[in-house]
Amino acid sequence: EPEVTQTPSHQVTQMGQEVILRCVPISNHLYFYWYRQILGQKVEFLVSFYNNEISEKSEIFDDQFSVERPDGSNFTLKIRSTKLEDSAMYFCASSEGFYSQETQYFGPGTRLLVL
Amino acid sequence: DAKTTQPTSMDCAEGRAANLPCNHSTISGNEYVYWYRQIHSQGPQYIIHGLKNNETNEMASLIITEDRKSSTLILPHATLRDTAVYYCIRSGSARQLTFGSGTQLTVLP
Repeated sequence: EPEVTQTPSHQVTQMGQEVILRCVPISNHLYFYWYRQILGQKVEFLVSFYNNEISEKSEIFDDQFSVERPDGSNFTLKIRSTKLEDSAMYFCASSEGFYSQETQYFGPGTRLLVL
Repeated sequence: DAKTTQPTSMDCAEGRAANLPCNHSTISGNEYVYWYRQIHSQGPQYIIHGLKNNETNEMASLIITEDRKSSTLILPHATLRDTAVYYCIRSGSARQLTFGSGTQLTVLP
């Protein structure tokens, strides 16, 4: 069964450093998403992406964050200058379509720790 | 605001059916009810979704009341591996899922 994959599974970085989290969505999916979950808290929406453009973003997704689809398979989340509070699990998701009946499938996540 | 209400926790005996309720009394006509679960800190796993009719797949059944104000997720024969946090989510748009706190289901041996 097709699945969303994410690399790395764990990332440790120093505050102020840039990190890039990578995702490979399910191959025939056209819509991509990033969510995050701070330890012990709810899963929060960050951004959705379609046709090489951001479709929606939350207030969490500020200028420190960017997303890109650099090639036909990868979808990346970049944090330009990490802060301690960016420590969280980051989940990528993808869906075939954009309507309310289109299921989002999640990857296993990247655990980011900012020291 | 997750716009759904779920019990904080539930227990279920292994092998028995687990019935997880969800209240979504303000759901609008075009919103689907989605269920996901999360085991430890793994990625949310899709279980099932529905609009009006009851649905069944290999994982679970979803019973939606006629007025669509509530639903129940049924795991017919719970196993220890079904221990997880279960989220009931309204989806008027697939673009942004709003997760609440969910129900912590513990399957007991």
